[in-house]
Amino acid sequence: QVQLVQSGAEVKKPGASVKVSCKASGYTFTGFYMHWVRQAPGQGLEWMGRINPDSGGTNYAQKFQGRVTMTRDTSISTAYMELSRLRSDDTVVYYCAREGELTEFDYWGQGTLVTVSS
Amino acid sequence: QSVLTQPPSASGTPGQRVTISCSGSSSNIGSNYVYWYQQLPGTAPKLLIYRNNQRPSGVPDRFSGSKSGTSASLGISGLRSEDEVDYYCAAWDDSLSGWVFGGGTKLTVL
Repeated sequence: QVQLVQSGAEVKKPGASVKVSCKASGYTFTGFYMHWVRQAPGQGLEWMGRINPDSGGTNYAQKFQGRVTMTRDTSISTAYMELSRLRSDDTVVYYCAREGELTEFDYWGQGTLVTVSS
Repeated sequence: QSVLTQPPSASGTPGQRVTISCSGSSSNIGSNYVYWYQQLPGTAPKLLIYRNNQRPSGVPDRFSGSKSGTSASLGISGLRSEDEVDYYCAAWDDSLSGWVFGGGTKLTVL
């Protein structure tokens, strides 16, 4: 069965960086795009970007260009999302989500809460 | 401010049918598929409807989706207490070259 397991909660200071991992299992990791979506407490969903695990190619939302880096390690079927120059409004839950064959987000990680506080 | 516009709340009584709207533009809903996600408190979203009106296996046929022009809607019939969660619409936006979501609708079952 498909599973996406994310790394645990993080607490960071403003200006620091955070790297969240998403370990995939139950399918061919390189066969499906991986997306990152975030959600502020009590707020809606916000797409950050995606990575092609096969080629490593990325597409980022304009809002995060220059601040986000998505990478992957195919040897351990894991995708990563690194966000730099953290601000207080980056205190949100970050989700990884697999893009299915019909371009839907068919499987999601459990979410990783990142708290940015001095 | 979300690119897709949803009502922040909706309500209905058990057994009733409710509809949640999602309004966009020609660059997103008008030219691409719409997807709907259901999110229980404290959990990740779950796919409810894909490609405007298709249900993944396991999703009850009480849930339906439709699209017309630059708007879409999610219909829930035979309302049940467990439907009292949050719902989000999503679509690819050609102008932004990215996915956009609605702000979410919290459904209350009275």
